[in-house]
Amino acid sequence: SSELTQDSAVSVALGQTVRITCQGDSLRSFHASWYQQKPGQAPVLVIYAKNNRPSGIPDRFSGSSSGDAASLTITGAQAEDEADYYCLSRDSSGNLRVFGSGTKVTVL
Amino acid sequence: EVRLLESGGDLVQPGGSLRLSCATSGFTFSNFGLIWVRQAPGQGLEWVAAISASRGNTYYADSVKGRFTISRDSVRNTLYLQMNGLRVEDTAMYYCAKDDSILGVPEYWGQGTRVTVSS
Repeated sequence: SSELTQDSAVSVALGQTVRITCQGDSLRSFHASWYQQKPGQAPVLVIYAKNNRPSGIPDRFSGSSSGDAASLTITGAQAEDEADYYCLSRDSSGNLRVFGSGTKVTVL
Repeated sequence: EVRLLESGGDLVQPGGSLRLSCATSGFTFSNFGLIWVRQAPGQGLEWVAAISASRGNTYYADSVKGRFTISRDSVRNTLYLQMNGLRVEDTAMYYCAKDDSILGVPEYWGQGTRVTVSS
């Protein structure tokens, strides 16, 4: 299967930790990358190759993976982290890209 | 500075055609893979198509295969998406993005161009 499943929504108290999970068979073979998207804006890459942050992304964002699942953790969530988060990986052939269904993160 | 700027979005009738462009700057165009991603109103991200760097190999989502064509022009440093046989369900914001050089991860994105398919 080439589907990537994410929880539709999670909430986190300001300053606390939240973990977002992405699940799919292809994650056993291919890393996930993670994108943050705020309303009316283009997606922004926050984590790639399991746990690497592009320049400018705060270190409160981290990634991990195990088996058929990948996770994005925000440690000490800030108000500006409220956004939709999408995982991205590949299908079993490695040629096609697949996005997860997206998780809306609300910071309380 | 890497820049990607989409254009060409419009209102088009079902069955019609449209060509989207993505003008790029700030990197060696021929060295990087490029993709198109779309987002229907209120929905999630959907990968549409990809084109590799050197050989220009192309790949498509099942939902657009046979109707859309991705291409690149290394003289104009521009990525294209030719969309034929448009359907109402193709209505979306279309983004272009540049892959990184090693892992094929989309690292830079444009701001999008809106396509509306409606009669």
